[in-house]
Amino acid sequence: DSGVTQTPKHLITATGQRVTLRCSPRSGDLSVYWYQQSLDQGLQFLIQYYNGEERAKGNILERFSAQQFPDLHSELNLSSLELGDSALYFCASSLGLYQETQYFGPGTRLLVL
Amino acid sequence: AQTVTQSQPEMSVQEAETVTLSCTYDTSESNYYLFWYKQPPSRQMILVIRQEAYKQQNATENRFSVNFQKAAKSFSLKISDSQLGDTAMYFCAFMKHPPGPETSGSRLTFGEGTQLTVNP
Repeated sequence: DSGVTQTPKHLITATGQRVTLRCSPRSGDLSVYWYQQSLDQGLQFLIQYYNGEERAKGNILERFSAQQFPDLHSELNLSSLELGDSALYFCASSLGLYQETQYFGPGTRLLVL
Repeated sequence: AQTVTQSQPEMSVQEAETVTLSCTYDTSESNYYLFWYKQPPSRQMILVIRQEAYKQQNATENRFSVNFQKAAKSFSLKISDSQLGDTAMYFCAFMKHPPGPETSGSRLTFGEGTQLTVNP
C-alpha cells in the first residue's frame, strides 16, 4: 500500500458525459501528479500540482482539467468523454517539488461506452 | 524531450534464476534520475529501484540491482533469484533534475514496458 488513495476504482460511463476522479496523496506529500495509461499510448503524464498550484502540464486534453484543494487532495475532471478516453488513470504523490520519488495510487479504471 | 526505450516487450525466466531487463534513454541533460517500476496483474504501480545519475555506484535493493552506464545511456535491471511474485510489467522511467520550466516540471517519462513472466 503506497498510501495514495484514489476513488472510484472503476467507472463506466457513456460518450459525452463528464466524470470526476479523486485522489488523496500520502500524508505529508505536497505534490500530486496525474498519469493516463492506455493501450495505444502507454503511460503518459497529464499534469502536476504542488501545494495547490499547477506546476506542469503534459499531454492533457482541453476537455480535461484538474485542481488541488487546500487539504491537498486532487480531482481530475474529464468532460465530453470519447471512447478513446477509456484508460487507467493514476494519481501519484511526492513529498516536495524537486527530484522526489513518486508513489502511485491504485488507479481508476475508466470505461467509456 | 527525453525518450525511454525498452526493446524487450516480453521476457520469461525460470524461478530462482537471474534475468536482466534492458532500458535505454535519450537526453541532453547531465543530471537526472532513473527509476524502475513494476506493475503486477493488480495494475498497481510499485517502485522497484531508483538511481541518481550523479552517483557512480549502481543502486541495489535486495534481489534487484541496476547496471547504470551513463555514457551509453543504458539502465538495465537485474533480478536475482526470481520469484513467482516478480511476474509483472516492468517500466523504466526518467525524471529530469532539476525540473525544467513550467512545461516539463517533475514528470516521469516512461518506456513501453517489458512483461516479465516467472515460470515455476
